[in-house]
Amino acid sequence: EVQLVESGGGLVQPGRSLKLSCLASGFTFSNYGMNWIRQAPGKGLEWVASISSSSSYIYYADTVKGRFTISRDNAKNTLYLQMTSLRSEDTALYYCASDYDGTYYYWGQGVMVTVSS
Amino acid sequence: DTVLTQSPALAVSPGERVTISCRASESVSTLMHWYQQKPGQQPTLLIYLASNLESGVPARFSGSGSGTDFTLTIDPVEADDTATYYCQQSWNDPWTFGGGTKLELK
Repeated sequence: EVQLVESGGGLVQPGRSLKLSCLASGFTFSNYGMNWIRQAPGKGLEWVASISSSSSYIYYADTVKGRFTISRDNAKNTLYLQMTSLRSEDTALYYCASDYDGTYYYWGQGVMVTVSS
Repeated sequence: DTVLTQSPALAVSPGERVTISCRASESVSTLMHWYQQKPGQQPTLLIYLASNLESGVPARFSGSGSGTDFTLTIDPVEADDTATYYCQQSWNDPWTFGGGTKLELK
């Protein structure tokens, strides 16, 4: 059974940092591109960042470029998102998702990040 | 970025046919995909490449379209289909989502 389990979320003050993790199992993690996608409360889906299977290609949404860093450790089957200089508008449920043939194929349950003083 | 426009909400009765539209600001060929998100759950893939039904998805769901205009059809609608439906394109970088269509049953 495929599982993507996010962790590391919580309440953080504006300007501070937080690191999310996503542990994958049930599929060959190292063969897939991976992504972070977020959903603000009551809002739609917003792609945040993506990383290719070997980490050769990395892309960010303009809204997080320069503040967030996506990375992966294929030996640990884990995807990361280092978030710095957090803003209130970063408050959202953060999903990790694998991509396949242009789709976001497997999704985790999500982890909540709340940025508030 | 490619903007995908969806109607915000629809209300239908069980047993009816419903079409959910997605219009792209520029051509995305047939690289359009549809997801269902039930309340409190993560999205799941329904349709890929505009018209291909994902494994395990009921045949009540179908997709069509190319270029800039796409449609997700549910026929007949069941109570369990209450959810928000998102389109997503992968023809142009960055990949983008529509704003979602919330489907409610009367």
